Amino acid sequence: DIQMTQSPSSLSASVRDRVTITCRASQSISTFLNWYQQQPGKAPKLLIYDASSLQSGVPSRFSGSGSGTDFTLTIASLQPEDFATYYCQQTFSVPVTFGQGTKLDIK
Amino acid sequence: QVQLVESGGGVVQPGRSLRLSCAASGFTLARHGMHWVRQAPGKGLEWVAVISYDESNKHYADSVKGRFTVSRDISKNTLYLQMNSLRAEDTAVYSCAKDSSTGWFYFDSWGQGTLVTVSS
Repeated sequence: DIQMTQSPSSLSASVRDRVTITCRASQSISTFLNWYQQQPGKAPKLLIYDASSLQSGVPSRFSGSGSGTDFTLTIASLQPEDFATYYCQQTFSVPVTFGQGTKLDIK
Repeated sequence: QVQLVESGGGVVQPGRSLRLSCAASGFTLARHGMHWVRQAPGKGLEWVAVISYDESNKHYADSVKGRFTVSRDISKNTLYLQMNSLRAEDTAVYSCAKDSSTGWFYFDSWGQGTLVTVSS
């Protein structure tokens, strides 16, 4: 199975900060890497698919990059609604696996 | 508009069975892979199973293999998860998710989930 490791596990930041979350795969997954945002008590929401493609309706302050084993999610200027937990996910092979999550909270 | 509504959760004793349903609308299961994902209380997301658009491929997490079975009824546009030999560690909110593709690529819609509690 492919292991996904996110860092950091938690992060404190302020509104208008630039934030980067990283995700590392235990083997190459090409660009089969997706990012989701989950608010407390809510279903996950797709942000980025195929490593760098922005899902329709997602603000352009979100961006993704990477290929192979190393990936990043960047939020260019944090907004109050961005404080949530973020997960990366690989779909290169089954079983599909998620990172452990990065909880982003207000400093 | 895509909508996914799970049902069938509840409290069940260890070793017993439960069947979850996911009623889909706004698209047809016959054209998309579908997944089950669970989230234990206070924990992260754990993928459980996938069924491809034509049912030719079904895959499971090691933690549920041999105990859980994913299926669907196209006439009802409904996805199912049959869970047997339940354990305490299966306690979680179970959600269904629609894949953008016929197999597994990215999950573009999710249901709100149904809570399964395994306890004596």
